[in-house]
Amino acid sequence: GDSVTQMEGPVTLSEEAFLTINCTYTATGYPSLFWYVQYPGEGLQLLLKATKADDKGSNKGFEATYRKETTSFHLEKGSVQVSDSAVYFCALRTNTGNQFYFGTGTSLTVIP
Amino acid sequence: DAGVIQSPRHEVTEMGQEVTLRCKPISGHDYLFWYRQTMMRGLELLIYFNNNVPIDDSGMPEDRFSAKMPNASFSTLKIQPSEPRDSAVYFCASSPGYEKLFFGSGTQLSVL
Repeated sequence: GDSVTQMEGPVTLSEEAFLTINCTYTATGYPSLFWYVQYPGEGLQLLLKATKADDKGSNKGFEATYRKETTSFHLEKGSVQVSDSAVYFCALRTNTGNQFYFGTGTSLTVIP
Repeated sequence: DAGVIQSPRHEVTEMGQEVTLRCKPISGHDYLFWYRQTMMRGLELLIYFNNNVPIDDSGMPEDRFSAKMPNASFSTLKIQPSEPRDSAVYFCASSPGYEKLFFGSGTQLSVL
């Protein structure tokens, strides 16, 4: 079935370090791909999305490129800030319905 | 818009008691989702509705769980009887049917 696998955390980085969180997916057809972010005590919020192969989603300095050949959607940011500390979820939406499948989440802590 | 509203924010109950979680989706959204989040299993889709009709309840763990959506502005998730292993954060999310989920702040359920 459709699923998402993302790198396990937790991840701890110093401020201004480069961030990569890996995400791969399994899906039939051509899903849409997403990164959601969850701050402490809150629900998930959409960070960025890509709806077809080679699309690049970007927001708040974060980027991810939909790679069909490697079935990946890795999240990157060139210089993280303390305020980026949160849990990041990779997700896919099937193209045969409106179901969303989430990865297990990767906790990021950025230290000054 | 106030966003997706969930109540209560926190619920502490004893094993065997009935628990009812409530959700008010964003007006105009045709889809409503119930998710459960635990450390062990991450974010799991329990059930989702389209235009108040349950579409997929295959994620509901067992018969103790039931969900209803009597109208477009209200949904409930009921657990009867509750068990300690039901302790988790339960999220409601709504969607206009496009690419984005809007999450509530969640209900933290503790079953003692």
